[in-house]
Amino acid sequence: SQKIEQNSEALNIQEGKTATLTCNYTNYSPAYLQWYRQDPGRGPVFLLLIRENEKEKRKERLKVTFDTTLKQSLFHITASQPADSATYLCALDSYSSNTGKLIFGQGTTLQVKP
Amino acid sequence: EAQVTQNPRYLITVTGKKLTVTCSQNMNHEYMSWYRQDPGLGLRQIYYSMNVEVTDKGDVPEGYKVSRKEKRNFPLILESPSPNQTSLYFCASSPTTVLSYEQYFGPGTRLTVT
Repeated sequence: SQKIEQNSEALNIQEGKTATLTCNYTNYSPAYLQWYRQDPGRGPVFLLLIRENEKEKRKERLKVTFDTTLKQSLFHITASQPADSATYLCALDSYSSNTGKLIFGQGTTLQVKP
Repeated sequence: EAQVTQNPRYLITVTGKKLTVTCSQNMNHEYMSWYRQDPGLGLRQIYYSMNVEVTDKGDVPEGYKVSRKEKRNFPLILESPSPNQTSLYFCASSPTTVLSYEQYFGPGTRLTVT
């Protein structure tokens, strides 16, 4: 069956450390993968997109990797800050042909402690 | 300001009473989509629209209807709401039908069906 999985357990880290979040998928062949941030009671906000032919993408303190062999994406926040505390969602197109059907993982909650 | 708006933000209703949640975007986006978010189940796509008069089912379309008569509006209709449709609903839009662009989410509508 098709699955997209993120660690359901909250990730607690100390301020200044690097947070690494994982997104694994099964039986999908996405052309790209997206990462969003969601604060409680608010809509998700887009952070980064990485295409299947890209190994790594960076934006300020954020870095995303995409390994189509392992069927995994890693999301890193370096020099984390308490303001980075939120839930992070990964999402992919359910088919590589851009059908418009987007599948989200359940999200991982990150808590950065001062 | 570029944004996706939803109305109402909060709604409590009774089983069987038809309701409509409106969604509007002012960014001239082609793609629009509805999601529901439930604890433990994450964000699930209900319906999406690639352009005016073009709509398609997401993962959980049962009990919902949509229409896309104008580019900017994408209302979600619950003809006969039931308690299992109690959820947090998000509308989203994207610049093109190619999902390699980010989605912009609305603020959410919290619906309770008693």
